[in-house]
Amino acid sequence: DTGVSQDPRHKITKRGQNVTFRCDPISEHNRLYWYRQTLGQGPEFLTYFQNEAQLEKSRLLSDRFSAERPKGSFSTLEIQRTEQGDSAMYLCASSLVGGPPPGEQYFGPGTRLTVT
Amino acid sequence: AQTVTQSQPEMSVQEAETVTLSCTYDTSESDYYLFWYKQPPSRQMILVIRQEAYKQQNATENRFSVNFQKAAKSFSLKISDSQLGDAAMYFCAYREGNKLVFGAGTILRVKS
Repeated sequence: DTGVSQDPRHKITKRGQNVTFRCDPISEHNRLYWYRQTLGQGPEFLTYFQNEAQLEKSRLLSDRFSAERPKGSFSTLEIQRTEQGDSAMYLCASSLVGGPPPGEQYFGPGTRLTVT
Repeated sequence: AQTVTQSQPEMSVQEAETVTLSCTYDTSESDYYLFWYKQPPSRQMILVIRQEAYKQQNATENRFSVNFQKAAKSFSLKISDSQLGDAAMYFCAYREGNKLVFGAGTILRVKS
């Protein structure tokens, strides 16, 4: 399977714990995106990387959230001191600068986080 | 910030019939991309169709087509000959810079 993969698929944690998610993009894609999707809503942009550089962060990405893409390949998203409001599906997507097709983002299956 | 509005939280269609999902958006840009994504239950989101704003011709992909009205900032999705496998959440999205802005989605139910 050469699509975007995410691990774990499900995570249940207690409030106050730290969690880390991993995303492996399509191998030749140089852009990687993180989105958050709450129940019944569309995904909301969190941040994106081009190669290893984090180029944009949403104001949704509080200081408890940090994302890295150390070698320009896989990425991790860490949430520190989780809160119940962090419960959501965290989606990763990747794309190739310049396409083709231009800017099309391919999504992974997501990591569903439940904070109890 | 750009916004995307999907006014139909839920739609139903009989198998083999046609259904249209609505989407409006707000932008001051003249050139941009619009997308429809499908998210089946517990499965990953996949791209259904893409429209480039500078192209006047409406995009089509097999049974899926769009009605793109640039002046009205409207971008509806038509699904012809609906199949049970079309049942999913459908999201309209606008590309703002390097990120996608999504609507709240429309749940499509297909009745046999």
